[in-house]
Amino acid sequence: AQSVSQHNHHVILSEAASLELGCNYSYGGTVNLFWYVQYPGQHLQLLLKYFSGDPLVKGIKGFEAEFIKSKFSFNLRKPSVQWSDTAEYFCAVPWGNAGGTSYGKLTFGQGTILTVHP
Amino acid sequence: EAGVVQSPRYKIIEKKQPVAFWCNPISGHNTLYWYLQNLGQGPELLIRYENEEAVDDSQLPKDRFSAERLKGVDSTLKIQPAELGDSAVYLCASSLDTAPGNTIYFGEGSWLTVV
Repeated sequence: AQSVSQHNHHVILSEAASLELGCNYSYGGTVNLFWYVQYPGQHLQLLLKYFSGDPLVKGIKGFEAEFIKSKFSFNLRKPSVQWSDTAEYFCAVPWGNAGGTSYGKLTFGQGTILTVHP
Repeated sequence: EAGVVQSPRYKIIEKKQPVAFWCNPISGHNTLYWYLQNLGQGPELLIRYENEEAVDDSQLPKDRFSAERLKGVDSTLKIQPAELGDSAVYLCASSLDTAPGNTIYFGEGSWLTVV
């Protein structure tokens, strides 16, 4: 079965520090990947997604992620974080119960809580 | 444009009591999802609707959970009777359909505490 692993449960940074959150998936073949963010008290919202083409994907609020097929990774990056980036970040893949890509079901990683100190 | 609306936002009930959650998806979205999010974990799909048809309910504990989406718009998720382990956040989400590239939009969630 497909799985998504986020290695860091809680990351603490100071403002202006660079950020990289890890995400690894467990299968080969066609890969589609998502990063969602959940700010305190708010709903999950899409940061960025990769479907095909350029493996470096730009998202909202200065975030980007790089799909590296050889490493089964889709790490999220931001060169300089702000206090307002404090949130929980989820990596996800579309994966069905019977195996195989299913756009009707997102399988999420366990999430990484990012705390940014002013 | 209004997002996915859920109610209630918070609910505290005693075990063995029933509870129901309501969801209004984004207008025009044919696909509606209910996800369960336990503390410290990512969301997990409970059930997915295409219009009014439940097309994936394999993760829904059918002995105590039920859901419906009458007229293919609003949806309700019910738990009867609730157990302590049901304490979690219940997320509703919607998308135009399940074509590749379509974004899934989430509501703010209904936080359930069973005591």
